[in-house]
Amino acid sequence: EPEVTQTPSHQVTQMGQEVILRCVPISNHLYFYWYRQILGQKVEFLVSFYNNEISEKSEIFDDQFSVERPDGSNFTLKIRSTKLEDSAMYFCASSEEGQPSPDTQYFGPGTRLTVL
Amino acid sequence: AQTVTQSQPEMSVQEAETVTLSCTYDTSENNYYLFWYKQPPSRQMILVIRQEAYKQQNATENRFSVNFQKAAKSFSLKISDSQLGDTAMYFCAFSRPKNAGNMLTFGGGTRLMVKP
Repeated sequence: EPEVTQTPSHQVTQMGQEVILRCVPISNHLYFYWYRQILGQKVEFLVSFYNNEISEKSEIFDDQFSVERPDGSNFTLKIRSTKLEDSAMYFCASSEEGQPSPDTQYFGPGTRLTVL
Repeated sequence: AQTVTQSQPEMSVQEAETVTLSCTYDTSENNYYLFWYKQPPSRQMILVIRQEAYKQQNATENRFSVNFQKAAKSFSLKISDSQLGDTAMYFCAFSRPKNAGNMLTFGGGTRLMVKP
């Protein structure tokens, strides 16, 4: 069964450093998302991406964040200058355009980001 | 804005018994989707079941079923014949269709413990 993959599984970085989190969505999916979950809290939406542009973003997704689809398979989230409060689990998700389940988002295993 | 509320932070059930997790939501939309995701200790987000709001019939997926009450804005998950592997956090989530912006809005989660 196809699945979303994410790398790395755990990233440790120093405050102020840039990080890039990588995702490979399911191959026939056209909609891509990033969510984050601070430990012990609910999952929060960051951004959605379709047709090579951001389609929706939350208040969390400020100028420190950016997303890119650099090639036909990868989808990345960049945090330009990490803060302590960016420490969280980051989930990538994707969904397909057509049937049978066009609005169901399938999640990757997550990247745990620790900012020291 | 949509909100999703899970009023039971923790629940426990004996193996082989049935448990119901509650979820309520608030929206002014008429067409939307509802989901239950499972998050085991590995923290991966796994889709359990989905429901389209325009369908009156409650969704069923093996031992998992929902009770969708659209007028009451209620979406509970019933797990029958509970198994030890069902131990996890369960998140209820809401989304609008893609053409209306389909970010997932999650509830705060219910931690389910299945006891042997």
